[in-house]
This record gives sequence, C-alpha cells and structure tokens, in this order.
Amino acid sequence: QSVLTQPPSVSAAPGQTVTISCAGDSSNVGSLFVSWYQQVPGTAPKLLIYDNNRRPSGIPDRFSGSKSGTSATLVITGLQAGDEADYYCGTWDFNLSDGVFGGGTKLTVL
Amino acid sequence: QVHLVESGGGVVQPGRSLRLTCAGSGITFNTFAIHWVRQPPGKGLEWVSVISYDGSNKFYADSVKGRFTVSRDNSKNTLYLQINRLRTDDTAVYYCAGNDSLSFWGQGVLVTVSS
Repeated sequence: QSVLTQPPSVSAAPGQTVTISCAGDSSNVGSLFVSWYQQVPGTAPKLLIYDNNRRPSGIPDRFSGSKSGTSATLVITGLQAGDEADYYCGTWDFNLSDGVFGGGTKLTVL
Repeated sequence: QVHLVESGGGVVQPGRSLRLTCAGSGITFNTFAIHWVRQPPGKGLEWVSVISYDGSNKFYADSVKGRFTVSRDNSKNTLYLQINRLRTDDTAVYYCAGNDSLSFWGQGVLVTVSS
C-alpha cells in the first residue's frame, strides 16, 4: 500500500488531455514539494516535474504540475503515442522520515 | 552531463550479502544527496534510502532498516549500498538517483534473491 494514492490507469486519444492525481496528507504532499516521474517500461524513471510545477530543461510544456492542499496533479496536453508510460508522483514524508511514491499510473494512448 | 552507473547486482541466495555501487561522473558529486530506489519486477517504485551530500545523515525505509547500510566516498565519486540478510522480497531493480528531486537516475541494477 503506497503512502501516496494515484489512479492505476488513465487513457485518452492522441491530441487529448489527461490528468493524473496524487493524494497524500499533511505530512507529505500538504507540506512539501512534489515531483513527477515518467517511466517507459524497461527504462529508468525520468524527472518530469519538480517543486510541484517546475519543468527540467528539455521537458515540453505539454507537461504541467500543480498542487492544492494535500493533492497534486499532473496534466498532459496534446497527447502523443510516445507519452505511453507509467507515471509516479513522489515527495518526502516528514513524519516517516522516508521518501514516498505513489503506486504509479499507467497511461494508455488509444 | 550527469551520469550515474550502478553495479554489483546479480543472483544471491537468501541470507547472503551484497554490495551495490553507484558511480557518478560529469557532476560535482559531493554537493547533493543521493537516494536508492528499488522496483520489484512488475511493480512500482519503492524508496529505500538516502544519504546526505557529506554522508552525515542517512535515512532508511522501515523494510530495510537494520539490514541495509548506505555510505559514500566523495573522493571516488562513489556511493555504496551494503545489503545484508537478503530476503526474496528484496528482489528488484535498484536505482541510485541524485539530488532532492531525483533529477538524474542510473540505469538500474537487478538483484535477484533466490535459492
């Protein structure tokens, strides 16, 4: 059971928009920065969003992040076939003194 | 260009020990924390441990506390994860990942615990 809760799967057609939620509590998402990672099966995760809504160099602006209270959201616009991957949210939990991840969301581009 | 490379994985019997290594290049290794994250086959990411930039602070997931020890040698740009009393549920790909946002990741190394 993951500390952060994500939907197991989402799907949409090319060109459409998807949102992936990440629910936590006041000891993690509610108090600290959230990051999002993309993982194509068989490869290492890649940082997509950090500090809730900042994109590393090279990440397209089709990917955006936000946070409200104890929930964070990843939005992907203009879906492309290459966006098919697993997406994870992550942060620190100051009560556990642990890093924590969501269970992951599998994105299918129809 | 940031580059992390893990090594030291393999097939190990339950109860034995293993040491994983994470070598960094192209970066100022001693300026950031490094995490270990693992991924069991077909499952999600699990945070394992973190060590601060100078090695003075270390944290571990409850599932590995007392069995795993993280250390670093900044003079060699290298991080270590000593794993003792291996269990079958330690079977996973182990990644090292650098800085607080896990901005850069190694390619991962597979550890299989099996008799």
